[in-house]
Formats: sequence, C-alpha cells, structure tokens
Amino acid sequence: DAGITQSPRHKVTETGTPVTLRCHQTENHRYMYWYRQDPGHGLRLIHYSYGVKDTDKGEVSDGYSVSRSKTEDFLLTLESATSSQTSVYFCAISESGDKGGHGYTFGSGTRLTVV
Amino acid sequence: GEDVEQSLFLSVREGDSSVINCTYTDSSSTYLYWYKQEPGAGLQLLTYIFSNMDMKQDQRLTVLLNKKDKHLSLRIADTQTGDSAIYFCAETFTGGGNKLTFGTGTQLKVEL
Repeated sequence: DAGITQSPRHKVTETGTPVTLRCHQTENHRYMYWYRQDPGHGLRLIHYSYGVKDTDKGEVSDGYSVSRSKTEDFLLTLESATSSQTSVYFCAISESGDKGGHGYTFGSGTRLTVV
Repeated sequence: GEDVEQSLFLSVREGDSSVINCTYTDSSSTYLYWYKQEPGAGLQLLTYIFSNMDMKQDQRLTVLLNKKDKHLSLRIADTQTGDSAIYFCAETFTGGGNKLTFGTGTQLKVEL
C-alpha cells in the first residue's frame, strides 16, 4: 500500500539464525504494529509502538523483539529463528490511538520460512 | 482476553447477497471493523462501525451490530467474483491504544 512498505517480501532462513524485518512508512503516523498471520488464527499482534523508542508487547511476543529509533521505521527481529515462526508478517500503521475509527493501513506482508 | 470468532468458509453465487458473521466477547469494544484480504496482499479496510450504532450502510456493504449479543455482520449485496477474498472482522476497545483484535477470517468464494 502507498505510504507503507515492508522488506523483504520473501525470506527463507535456517533455524537458529537471526532475522530482521523492516517496516517503513512515509505517513508520519505515530502508531506502528507487527502482526503475524497463520491459518486458523487470523492475525495476532506481536509488538506495537506508540512513538519513537516507545514499544510494548502483544499477545505473541515471545521470541521477537522490536525497535523504533525514528518515526518512519519499525524493525522486527527474530533473535534465533525457529520453525514455529514460519508465517506471514504484516506491518500496520495508524494515525490515532483510542480515537479509533481510522483502522490500520497494512503493508503487503513478508513471507518468512524457517527451515 | 478478547476472542473474535468467524466461520471459516462461505460460498455464494454471483449476484446473490453474502452475509459474513462475527461474534466477539469484549463488551468494551468501541469500534468494529471489516477488512478484506485478497490473495498475496495485505488487509484493506472496508468499513467500520462505532459501538453505539446499530447499522451502517456504504454502497453494497451493510454492517449490522447487535451489541447485546456481541454479534457483527457484513452483508454484501449483488456479490461479484471480485469480492472473492478473506474477510476479517476486528475490534478495538477503550484504553486499548487502537490495538486491533482480529477474527480468524472467513474465506468468501463467489461462483458463477
């Protein structure tokens, strides 16, 4: 989607290796989110950020860390990839917090395969 | 925790109406959303409804909210083959920092 890009789009990595996924936005939105999508589970929140250097855990944060050193970039790191982390990862941005009604704008996703 | 449930599949004929249902458990929901995901793509916001509303109509889309039963539905009138996709409902709630909780998704297949 315009204004939000994820990289890489596809990645295959070996078990035990570190992996970093990048989300970049040009909308200057305050909120950024990382979700993973798995069959039968919908999308589950991994981590989110409500400002530069301000992050918090979601429901499936174990094995993941994030960093946000500037407004436009939100990085997701798998310190030591496992096969259970094979998934499609989506980044999303939002311009408001509790005001709601704006929903999210999603990136196109990163398909990660851990072998 | 919050749970949002959807049926997994729905098949309709082109031109018919589709109704996709969603149930949720968090009574403090403020906004409820419907997203569409086409193959290989991210999620696209279709519509949303504020929790104090019962119904919202937007062209071919009608959203119904029954807050008492915690039931949300999306009706697509005159369903077309281009409507084939996965549809997700999602909710956010007061104090949640606009964190969305998504349902499991309903795969809509439109047949000729």
